[in-house]
Amino acid sequence: RKEVEQDPGPFNVPEGATVAFNCTYSNSASQSFFWYRQDCRKEPKLLMSVYSSGNEDGRFTAQLNRASQYISLLIRDSKLSDSATYLCVVNTNAGKSTFGDGTTLTVKP
Amino acid sequence: GAGVSQSPRYKVAKRGQDVALRCDPISGHVSLFWYQQALGQGPEFLTYFQNEAQLDKSGLPSDRFFAERPEGSVSTLKIQRTQQEDSAVYLCASSLGWGDSSNQPQHFGDGTRLSIL
Repeated sequence: RKEVEQDPGPFNVPEGATVAFNCTYSNSASQSFFWYRQDCRKEPKLLMSVYSSGNEDGRFTAQLNRASQYISLLIRDSKLSDSATYLCVVNTNAGKSTFGDGTTLTVKP
Repeated sequence: GAGVSQSPRYKVAKRGQDVALRCDPISGHVSLFWYQQALGQGPEFLTYFQNEAQLDKSGLPSDRFFAERPEGSVSTLKIQRTQQEDSAVYLCASSLGWGDSSNQPQHFGDGTRLSIL
């Protein structure tokens, strides 16, 4: 079993839809959490950090449940430009990062 | 430069050859990471430096892989006697690294796409 698991998808949604991605992690010592976005043949780019109280950045909302070791990302009013692979990232102490294999999203007109 | 720079962007080598991949992190970033990403998978951790010190090399798949950062800035990942299974994208990332580095996001370079024939 991988340390960080994500539903690989693909998720195919129409423009304007709301879509949610889930991620679970197995290391209870994990300290910080992020969502990255990766476009095809490009490098991962930070989308947002995930805080215990939950946080929002425009159309994107991230939630963390430490008890269940579960992270989520919600995208509202999805745009064509949101099409990408979304990577869940978990950091232990000293910054070592473990990545999930990503969830692929395709937004269609 | 403004971001993490990696070279070469593409590298083709014959099985058995040695290769060297370079990473130039964001100026002032203390922490530097190397990852290996296979097609359809997330990046897999290889090794981590804080300044010139290699603090974690637990992800290096074999003793053919070696990384260094002698002056605490530019880093080189070397793969000796390459095998076909070494074909992947090699990503370098850096972060500020001071204080509680676990909270600091990493900034990635474009990667080196390595193909072993």
